[in-house]
Amino acid sequence: AQTVTQSQPEMSVQEAETVTLSCTYDTSESDYYLFWYKQPPSRQMILVIRQEAYKQQNATENRFSVNFQKAAKSFSLKISDSQLGDAAMYFCAYSSYPITGTASKLTFGTGTRLQVTL
Amino acid sequence: DGGITQSPKYLFRKEGQNVTLSCEQNLNHDAMYWYRQDPGQGLRLIYYSQIVNDFQKGDIAEGYSVSREKKESFPLTVTSAQKNPTAFYLCASSPTGGSMNTEAFFGQGTRLTVV
Repeated sequence: AQTVTQSQPEMSVQEAETVTLSCTYDTSESDYYLFWYKQPPSRQMILVIRQEAYKQQNATENRFSVNFQKAAKSFSLKISDSQLGDAAMYFCAYSSYPITGTASKLTFGTGTRLQVTL
Repeated sequence: DGGITQSPKYLFRKEGQNVTLSCEQNLNHDAMYWYRQDPGQGLRLIYYSQIVNDFQKGDIAEGYSVSREKKESFPLTVTSAQKNPTAFYLCASSPTGGSMNTEAFFGQGTRLTVV
């Protein structure tokens, strides 16, 4: 079974600064997806960024980027130019590469609460 | 607008009662999921369905039941056998494998409290 570990329960960053959230995972599979989800106080889960394991290039979405180290099974999220609206719980998640017609079940880490200060 | 609707947002249940949480999607997704969220434990998979009239147990299915009679709907029943049902419940849907993008979309959740 796959496991996802987020070792930072809470992080804090000043507005406009950069912060990195850590995530490690364990799997014996070679093809899979990794995700970062954001859960603001509304509790709606929002996809921030996705990485396919077979792609060596790190994914980026505007101010959000990842550092994907497949051999080390590490998947960190970097938030640049932090904004007050970035304050939320961030979850790292894993999904096996879905076979045609099958569901994409997610395994989540325990989350990191990000606080953004002025 | 396409999306996932969960209702109600808040639900109170007396001990010993069954209660059903609703989840409806209009995204034309084949797969649907139920996750439970507890403080400090992230999200855990309860049940999932890959197609109408089919569903599979997730990691914590005991005390729960589901049905999938329509593609759009995947209700979750929390039975009296669930020992600690107070939690936040999230429903999600996604295309199945073989699609260009299997991203999961989530509803806004239902907070269940046993009183």
